Amino acid sequence: DAGVIQSPRHEVTEMGQEVTLRCKPISGHNSLFWYRQTMMRGLELLIYFNNNVPIDDSGMPEDRFSAKMPNASFSTLKIQPSEPRDSAVYFCASSWEGLGSGNTIYFGEGSWLTVV
Amino acid sequence: DAKTTQPPSMDCAEGRAANLPCNHSTISGNEYVYWYRQIHSQGPQYIIHGLKNNETNEMASLIITEDRKSSTLILPHATLRDTAVYYCIVLLTGNQFYFGTGTSLTVIP
Repeated sequence: DAGVIQSPRHEVTEMGQEVTLRCKPISGHNSLFWYRQTMMRGLELLIYFNNNVPIDDSGMPEDRFSAKMPNASFSTLKIQPSEPRDSAVYFCASSWEGLGSGNTIYFGEGSWLTVV
Repeated sequence: DAKTTQPPSMDCAEGRAANLPCNHSTISGNEYVYWYRQIHSQGPQYIIHGLKNNETNEMASLIITEDRKSSTLILPHATLRDTAVYYCIVLLTGNQFYFGTGTSLTVIP
């Protein structure tokens, strides 16, 4: 079975440009997560969707960041305008139903973003 | 909310068992303990999880103390490919899966 698929794997962009990261969760999973990882802050949860609805976006750093999940098989994380401090690895993850019942989440390989 | 404490780094000789400890003294009765690892440049990889009983799978064993305030992840025969950062996570409310700083395990030839 295919895992969580993210694109692009690597992106270098200039400050001020719009960046769109894409994620395809594992088929059948109904929860989707976006994480950001930096050396300084480690792995941070940005936003969590359940059944395509954003449940908690308290981790989204600021208004420049937005995330959507138009259907069960696709999500985007957009940064507009991008800044150098947004340089990080962005991970998408998915799971089936609630984690409280002992299910687990599976991560994609990440999108490496560099803003110059 | 339960938090976890792990040593920042550990070494283990290749072929020997790696025992990675985790303290979670404020864990609630219905919170699971999860272990993930992250090899450089890759996404976090699920290893194992448990609630009360010890668990074993093809990758590792998880030993949870009777009071559930601590646990140990055991890699029975560590290989060089097990060099990674290992995260112990106690599931907080809802589905908010938070990672701490983890333990950087280095397997030495």
